Amino acid sequence: GAVVSQHPSRVICKSGTSVKIECRSLDFQATTMFWYRQFPKQSLMLMATSNEGSKATYEQGVEKDKFLINHASLTLSTLTVTSAHPEDSSFYICSARDFEGGYSYNEQFFGPGTRLTVL
Amino acid sequence: GQQLNQSPQSMFIQEGEDVSMNCTSSSIFNTWLWYKQDPGEGPVLLIALYKAGELTSNGRLTAQFGITRKDSFLNISASIPSDVGIYFCAGLPLMYSGGGADGLTFGKGTHLIIQP
Repeated sequence: GAVVSQHPSRVICKSGTSVKIECRSLDFQATTMFWYRQFPKQSLMLMATSNEGSKATYEQGVEKDKFLINHASLTLSTLTVTSAHPEDSSFYICSARDFEGGYSYNEQFFGPGTRLTVL
Repeated sequence: GQQLNQSPQSMFIQEGEDVSMNCTSSSIFNTWLWYKQDPGEGPVLLIALYKAGELTSNGRLTAQFGITRKDSFLNISASIPSDVGIYFCAGLPLMYSGGGADGLTFGKGTHLIIQP
């Protein structure tokens, strides 16, 4: 149980285009999902918290107009990187909680990540 | 925001050796989690800790939640080649100041390299 998927696993795009990344909880419902960014050889940094049915909450320094988050259902959250630029190239990872599946409320399960390269 | 100090940054060991890594914080955490991340993949949860002093095992892995609630360690006994990877501690501070609800704070990771 507690499996999280992401799509696509890898994307290469031109500067100025928008890219959408999907995060799905496969065998549980997730009212809250999280989006992290990881640069090479660095740790994960929380970008935003995605709440089903309400607006996402963003960490300080993360532009909400650039990183659009939609959590339209209990199993799907999307992150759209708008007008992407080379400095947005990174590894984007989502996570979700499954506190109704016997796991503790604070345990987060991560997707496999999406490698974004902006040319 | 909150910061976790994780050490060592990297470890070069021989197969069969025991491994120990730790995380410390300047503030109190109410949850400590240990993850392993392989290259190009998302982190996988290894052990979760919720109470000060708690000692939990998962196979060859053992982790403890420090009494002061400001530190945690992870031990790996009798290391094998598949233990190679980056290990992250992560925690949920008692009082989080970020805009997110319950997003985790991560340590910088310990890169484990095993020589056969």
